[in-house]
Amino acid sequence: DTEVTQTPKHLVMGMTNKKSLKCEQHMGHRAMYWYKQKAKKPPELMFVYSYEKLSINESVPSRFSPECPNSSLLNLHLHALQPEDSALYLCASSQGPHTKYLSYEQYFGPGTRLTVT
Amino acid sequence: SQQGEEDPQALSIQEGENATMNCSYKTSINNLQWYRQNSGRGLVHLILIRSNEREKHSGRLRVTLDTSKKSSSLLITASRAADTASYFCATDRGGTSGSRLTFGEGTQLTVNP
Repeated sequence: DTEVTQTPKHLVMGMTNKKSLKCEQHMGHRAMYWYKQKAKKPPELMFVYSYEKLSINESVPSRFSPECPNSSLLNLHLHALQPEDSALYLCASSQGPHTKYLSYEQYFGPGTRLTVT
Repeated sequence: SQQGEEDPQALSIQEGENATMNCSYKTSINNLQWYRQNSGRGLVHLILIRSNEREKHSGRLRVTLDTSKKSSSLLITASRAADTASYFCATDRGGTSGSRLTFGEGTQLTVNP
């Protein structure tokens, strides 16, 4: 199984709502990622989890809160978002362990298209 | 600013022709990867080339890497309509925290039947 699944596919939320995005993989990968992609732009890294611990936060605003409950699941909790946060949110995973000289390709989910009204 | 810059931004060719996309980057890298994205969906990994490699092949794909010029190219031979997609290069700085990919701006490839 080389699939990364994401739910929901689409999400519309108001600026005062709290919602969560979910991501799941069953490839035994030990690194998981959240990316944000605006229309006609490349994905931008938000967070990296390595062995279920947050290892990289690319200065993301605190209204985005990641969580890794176990090695297969990754959540992104959303609260008090702004309209400019509307984007495609992509989850990815990769095999570990990563070293200074060895890293691996990433497997991406189909994304959640988020609209903030 | 984005690490990778790609050219051309858009490329339109006929089926059967070859497509070449170029990527330049600014800092030292562990490896460089190419991904394909169909119309706002998830990305699909195509090929990974490590910093000590110069060329790599996978099916109809050929990737080169010139670390002295900080550039890479992706060649798709005998293109098909199904190759129509956005293609991104991504540089990986490496590290024990996981892959830290920085994507280029991408090339939109259209293959006309």
